Amino acid sequence: DAKTTQPNSMESNEEEPVHLPCNHSTISGTDYIHWYRQLPSQGPEYVIHGLTSNVNNRMASLAIAEDRKSSTLILHRATLRDAAVYYCIPANYGGSQGNLIFGKGTKLSVKP
Amino acid sequence: KAGVTQTPRYLIKTRGQQVTLSCSPISGHRSVSWYQQTPGQGLQFLFEYFSETQRNKGNFPGRFSGRQFSNSRSEMNVSTLELGDSALYLCASSYGTRGPDTQYFGPGTRLTVL
Repeated sequence: DAKTTQPNSMESNEEEPVHLPCNHSTISGTDYIHWYRQLPSQGPEYVIHGLTSNVNNRMASLAIAEDRKSSTLILHRATLRDAAVYYCIPANYGGSQGNLIFGKGTKLSVKP
Repeated sequence: KAGVTQTPRYLIKTRGQQVTLSCSPISGHRSVSWYQQTPGQGLQFLFEYFSETQRNKGNFPGRFSGRQFSNSRSEMNVSTLELGDSALYLCASSYGTRGPDTQYFGPGTRLTVL
């Protein structure tokens, strides 16, 4: 399983963009990069995933480095509701389905 | 579509007892995974069930077991409870098909062992 490195914590101001980095230098060629977040007192929720090219959805954008050793989750305009722990999770679907390996994640604080 | 539900939400047990937690997945989902979350160890994978069969297992002792029923509902059981089993137990459901498969998590069951 690929090891990930994320900052322990980050701070942002409301309505400003946030770039959450993740290093996954041991990722395999077939690992997808997933991001989940966990709001206080809730279970984790899916944010976005990608394989090689950048991805956008209504929640966020995912920028994946060309060598795939790192990725950045981009929240375009942070809101107070975005305060959560964000997890970057490489996942290979060759054999291990339903097995997400959560690291420590990045705790994002959003200031009004 | 209703989300993943877990019952009970809170539970208090004493050492040595056993406990059963229940998870109802999103309609149409055939995979249910269980995770344990503690302040010290974070979120750790327990096991996954797909079509009533355990498909994947994490590194937990045999006191932790689970099962899945034909309607995809799942239960996990912890026997001979220890103080260290106090945790938030989360279940997640998904379609379970090959390829990127979004997992949808329930709110969790908070277990306290005294």
